[in-house]
Amino acid sequence: DTGVSQDPRHKITKRGQNVTFRCDPISEHNRLYWYRQTLGQGPEFLTYFQNEAQLEKSRLLSDRFSAERPKGSFSTLEIQRTEQGDSAMYLCASSLVGGNWQFFGPGTRLTVL
Amino acid sequence: GQQLNQSPQSMFIQEGEDVSMNCTSSSIFNTWLWYKQDPGEGPVLLIALYKAGELTSNGRLTAQFGITRKDSFLNISASIPSDVGIYFCAGQLGDYKLSFGAGTTVTVRA
Repeated sequence: DTGVSQDPRHKITKRGQNVTFRCDPISEHNRLYWYRQTLGQGPEFLTYFQNEAQLEKSRLLSDRFSAERPKGSFSTLEIQRTEQGDSAMYLCASSLVGGNWQFFGPGTRLTVL
Repeated sequence: GQQLNQSPQSMFIQEGEDVSMNCTSSSIFNTWLWYKQDPGEGPVLLIALYKAGELTSNGRLTAQFGITRKDSFLNISASIPSDVGIYFCAGQLGDYKLSFGAGTTVTVRA
């Protein structure tokens, strides 16, 4: 499978715990994006990387959120001290530089109890 | 929050019907994209539009980039059961961030 993959697909955690998600983009894509989607809404942009550089972060990305792409390939998104409001689908997408076509992964659904 | 308004919010289709939905924005965009999302999955790209006034087809799907650059339309002809799902429009001004609408949910009429 050469598409965008995400792991895990589902995560249930208790409030206050830390969670980490992984995204593997399409191999030749140098841009990687994170979006968050809540029920009944479209995805909202969180942050993106070009190779290993994180170029923009949305105001939605509080200090409890951190994303990395250390070698310019896979990326991780960590949420510290999770809150119930963090419950959402976290989507990863990738594209080529200058490419309008962003291809999405299947998402990680986070439930914070 | 969302900048794009999609209508209708939901619709029921009968197999064989043509379906239309649209997306409007208070801001201009350089690119419009349409995605379809099935439950529990990520959005899948259907069509991309790059120029004001452009009309593009992909099989039974046809989309148009509005002349004002603030709207776009998606039509599905001769709908089939697998067309059910949530359709999202997305606008792009620069070359990275997508702004999505809240989606149009398409359901089969019983």
